[in-house]
Amino acid sequence: QKEVEQDPGPLSVPEGAIVSLNCTYSNSAFQYFMWYRQYSRKGPELLMYTYSSGNKEDGRFTAQVDKSSKYISLFIRDSQPSDSATYLCAMSEGNNRLAFGKGNQVVVIP
Amino acid sequence: SAVISQKPSRDICQRGTSLTIQCQVDSQVTMMFWYRQQPGQSLTLIATANQGSEATYESGFVIDKFPISRPNLTFSTLTVSNMSPEDSSIYLCSVAGTGANEKLFFGSGTQLSVL
Repeated sequence: QKEVEQDPGPLSVPEGAIVSLNCTYSNSAFQYFMWYRQYSRKGPELLMYTYSSGNKEDGRFTAQVDKSSKYISLFIRDSQPSDSATYLCAMSEGNNRLAFGKGNQVVVIP
Repeated sequence: SAVISQKPSRDICQRGTSLTIQCQVDSQVTMMFWYRQQPGQSLTLIATANQGSEATYESGFVIDKFPISRPNLTFSTLTVSNMSPEDSSIYLCSVAGTGANEKLFFGSGTQLSVL
């Protein structure tokens, strides 16, 4: 079993819809949970950063962490064509090592 | 945040040759990280480069294949040696944010194709 599972299947949504992405993990020692956004031919950029369980909101983006279920989510409200990108989840025990998911390609259709 | 310049942005190389990728950061950083991103695969850490010491390689990666230099606190290079088509990938340089080693900043990556 991989440390982090993220269904890489492409996701197409109409503009304005809510995008829901999620990852599961097996390592209960993970304490830090991140979402990165990667545009084509660019490096990943940090989108959301959460320590331990709970919710975090930043504009149209909400990150949720459920450590009891080993499950994290990212929601994008009122999606825009500019949100079209690949979204990577990442986790860490706090030891400078991050475990990444495979990434979800999201396409927002105008 | 940190601004990371990585070059080349892409290259096409012949089997058996070597390519050196450069990474320049706009501020001094203790640790620099080199990642590989293969199609359909998770981002994978190759090694951690500290200034003034040997790089620390992750399982499955060896110095002879991926030699790394770290001559100062703002610059690092990764060489992909004796390349084969299996080395075709995106290679990314990254650094950690101040006070939060989990907040990584990435360069734009080097798209390497080996024929």
